[in-house]
This record gives sequence, C-alpha cells and structure tokens, in this order.
Amino acid sequence: AQSVTQLDSQVPVFEEAPVELRCNYSSSVSVYLFWYVQYPNQGLQLLLKYLSGSTLVKGINGFEAEFNKSQTSFHLRKPSVHISDTAEYFCAVSPFTGNQFYFGTGTSLTVIP
Amino acid sequence: EAQVTQNPRYLITVTGKKLTVTCSQNMNHEYMSWYRQDPGLGLRQIYYSMNVEVTDKGDVPEGYKVSRKEKRNFPLILESPSPNQTSLYFCASTSGGVSYNEQFFGPGTRLTVL
Repeated sequence: AQSVTQLDSQVPVFEEAPVELRCNYSSSVSVYLFWYVQYPNQGLQLLLKYLSGSTLVKGINGFEAEFNKSQTSFHLRKPSVHISDTAEYFCAVSPFTGNQFYFGTGTSLTVIP
Repeated sequence: EAQVTQNPRYLITVTGKKLTVTCSQNMNHEYMSWYRQDPGLGLRQIYYSMNVEVTDKGDVPEGYKVSRKEKRNFPLILESPSPNQTSLYFCASTSGGVSYNEQFFGPGTRLTVL
C-alpha cells in the first residue's frame, strides 16, 4: 500500500522569502513522485516529477524538489516566492507497475506581500 | 486546444436523485480517472479506465459508477447520491501509463447533495 504525508497543511511566507513544502511517502514498492499545483478555482497542473536519475528535479515557475530515498521524502523548494505562487500544492506517488495514483492532503501556500 | 472538460461545473441536488457528471478529453488519451477532493483529505481516486470498456476501482468507489464506451468520454454516475458525496470532483486523463506521465485535469465539478 502507498501513502503520502504532507506535514504542513498551511504555510504562510513573505514575498521574496524562500519556502520548503515537505512531503514524505510510504510504499512497499518503487514509486514515481510528483508535485502538482492547484491555483484558486482551477484544476491541478504538473509542477515537476521524479522518475529516475538526478535526485534534484527542476520544474516550472522556479520550483525544484529533491528526492531522498533513505528518508522517503520529496520536499519542494523555491528560493524566492512571488504573490502568484499562492496556491494549493499536492505531492503524489504512483507505483512503477500500477495504474493508481495517490495524493497527499495538500499544503496551502500563502504568499504575504 | 488540448483540454479536459467537465459538465456541469456546479450542481446542487437532493438525496437519491440520480445524476451524471460528464468528462471529455480531446487528446486521444487512453487513461482517464475520476477523483474527489475534500478538505483535509486531498484528492482520492474513485475510478479509472485504462481504455474503452476497461475500468477499475480506485480507493473510494462506493456509491459511484463509471462507463467508458468511447475513448474521449468517461462519465461519472451517482445512482442514489447521499450528502457524504458532497465534494469537488475532478476528471483527469493521460496517455500510456499513468505511473510516469503527466495527468491533465479538468476544471472540476462542485457537487452539493442536500
């Protein structure tokens, strides 16, 4: 079975400050890892994903994430946030050999001017 | 424009009145899926379909039905809705295997069951 834990439900941060959104997962099989973003009143869109190779993955809008296999973590970071980054962020996993997708409970990022 | 569309976007109904939420994609994707989003619970997968006439249960299938008669359409059916099905519903699609490909999401359908 797979599970995804997002440790912070809400993260307020001042504009131009750095931010880290934490994600830990549990799985009995190997998984691919994703971060999706949901802007207010919209559907989700892919921010970045880790499939293999370098553990540091770069995504859209200046976000990056680092896969840590020993800690089963996939934290999302951005060195300087903008007002437009205010959104809900979801970490997700999908088993290598499977057809299901598992999301975390989400982290609401609020950027304060 | 490549997109996933859902209808209706908003729906208020009463307990027990059958309803269907439609989902359509124009990207020729094999895989389609339905999720529900609830506060504090994130997104949970209801049903998914690997291709025409191939569907399977996700984590929370109780009270829902789906069908996949055409590749582009994947309707979600609630035959006897109950208040605990009040939620925000998303349809998504992707090509090939869901495990490594990006899913494209519809705009969502907000359902209220009184």
